[in-house]
Amino acid sequence: DADVTQTPRNRITKTGKRIMLECSQTKGHDRMYWYRQDPGLGLRLIYYSFDVKDINKGEISDGYSVSRQAQAKFSLSLESAIPNQTALYFCATSDPGQRYGYTFGSGTRLTVV
Amino acid sequence: SQELEQSPQSLIVQEGKNLTINCTSSKTLYGLYWYKQKYGEGLIFLMMLQKGGEEKSHEKITAKLDEKKQQSSLHITASQPSHAGIYLCGADGETSYDKVIFGPGTSLSVIP
Repeated sequence: DADVTQTPRNRITKTGKRIMLECSQTKGHDRMYWYRQDPGLGLRLIYYSFDVKDINKGEISDGYSVSRQAQAKFSLSLESAIPNQTALYFCATSDPGQRYGYTFGSGTRLTVV
Repeated sequence: SQELEQSPQSLIVQEGKNLTINCTSSKTLYGLYWYKQKYGEGLIFLMMLQKGGEEKSHEKITAKLDEKKQQSSLHITASQPSHAGIYLCGADGETSYDKVIFGPGTSLSVIP
């Protein structure tokens, strides 16, 4: 099994629909992150969580919300999806005690039509 | 806030050719990561550099950190189609509470 698992891998949804992207990890890391990737813009941070009781907004949190259900689970919700939220979404984890960067999931490709 | 720039933005090379991708930071680099992403897939960690002058290699990929220039370079020798993808650099913040920031990526295509 992958260290960081994202579901679904691909999703097409209609404008205005609520959608949830899920992320689970087996790394035992406290820190989890949600990024979106758009061509030419790199990775932009949406939300991050340093532990179960800690949730922080990233640079582009508008239109998104998150839930940290457990150390291993971090979900991203789009309350009312819009077309410009079409992107590749990545979940990542990190261990602050070991500065080895992030472990990424395989991504969720979301298309809003 | 710290920003990372990568150059070139995209690169097309003939198989067997060497190439270099650069990552330049607007602030002091405390740790620099290189990731590779196959198109539409997740990011794979390649290597991490922490000290000025440090150089690491993985197969035919070598990365170097120039602290004074606040820059890292990634060099691929004798490129192969398997090297194609997007290469992203990421930089640590000053403290462990800071998040890694990422460059915009360099898209590499290798023509057989």
